Amino acid sequence: DAGVIQSPRHEVTEMGQEVTLRCKPISGHDYLFWYRQTMMRGLELLIYFNNNVPIDDSGMPEDRFSAKMPNASFSNLKIQPSEPRDSAVYFCASSGVKFGTEAFFGQGTRLTVV
Amino acid sequence: DAKTTQPPSMDCAEGRAANLPCNHSTISGNEYVYWYRQIHSQGPQYIIHGLKNNETNEMASLIITEDRKSSTLILPHATLRDTAVYYCIAPSNTGKLIFGQGTTLQVKP
Repeated sequence: DAGVIQSPRHEVTEMGQEVTLRCKPISGHDYLFWYRQTMMRGLELLIYFNNNVPIDDSGMPEDRFSAKMPNASFSNLKIQPSEPRDSAVYFCASSGVKFGTEAFFGQGTRLTVV
Repeated sequence: DAKTTQPPSMDCAEGRAANLPCNHSTISGNEYVYWYRQIHSQGPQYIIHGLKNNETNEMASLIITEDRKSSTLILPHATLRDTAVYYCIAPSNTGKLIFGQGTTLQVKP
C-alpha cells in the first residue's frame, strides 16, 4: 500500500477563495482523521470519521470548514471562504479496523492563504 | 482521552539512550499508551504502544509502570535522525487521537 495520500502537497490561494484538500486513506482502514498544525496551536484534531460517518467534529473551527467522506477510499476538507489565519499544514491520517492499531499519517498539505 | 504530561524538551548525546517520560495518571484500565514522533515538516509517525506489559520493537522500548500512571519511551542508541517531537497519547476507546505539545528531543553529536 502506498500509505495515506494527500493532495495537493502545497496550495497557495487568495483570501475568499474556496480550498479543497483531499485524502485517500489506507485500504481497509475504517478511521480517518483530519488535523491542522500551526506553530502557535500545535497539532489540532479537526474531525474524525468511523466507517465513513463523522463521529466528532468539535474541532472544526468555524462553519467555513466542512469535511466529507463519501466512501471508504476518499475524504475531502473544504474551507469556504478561506482566510489568512487558515494558513497551516493539514494532515490526514487513517487507522485500522480494530481500535488499538496505529494511525498512519499522510505527508500533509501546506496551505497558504494570502 | 486520558491527559498526558511530558517535559517540553530534552537533550541526548548521540549514541546514548534517550529516555522520554510521560505521566498519564488518569488513564483507565483499558486505555493503551501510544507514542508517535514527528520529524520536522513530516506527518507524525507511530513508534510503539502498550497496555500493561513492557513492549519492544525495532524502533524503541516502552516501559509502563505497574500502576500504569506513567511510562518511559527508550531509544537505546539515539542518532541525529532521532531528533524530533515525541508525543505520548492515551486515547479513549472512541478511537479519538488527541496530540498534546509533546517533547522536543534534540540529539547532539
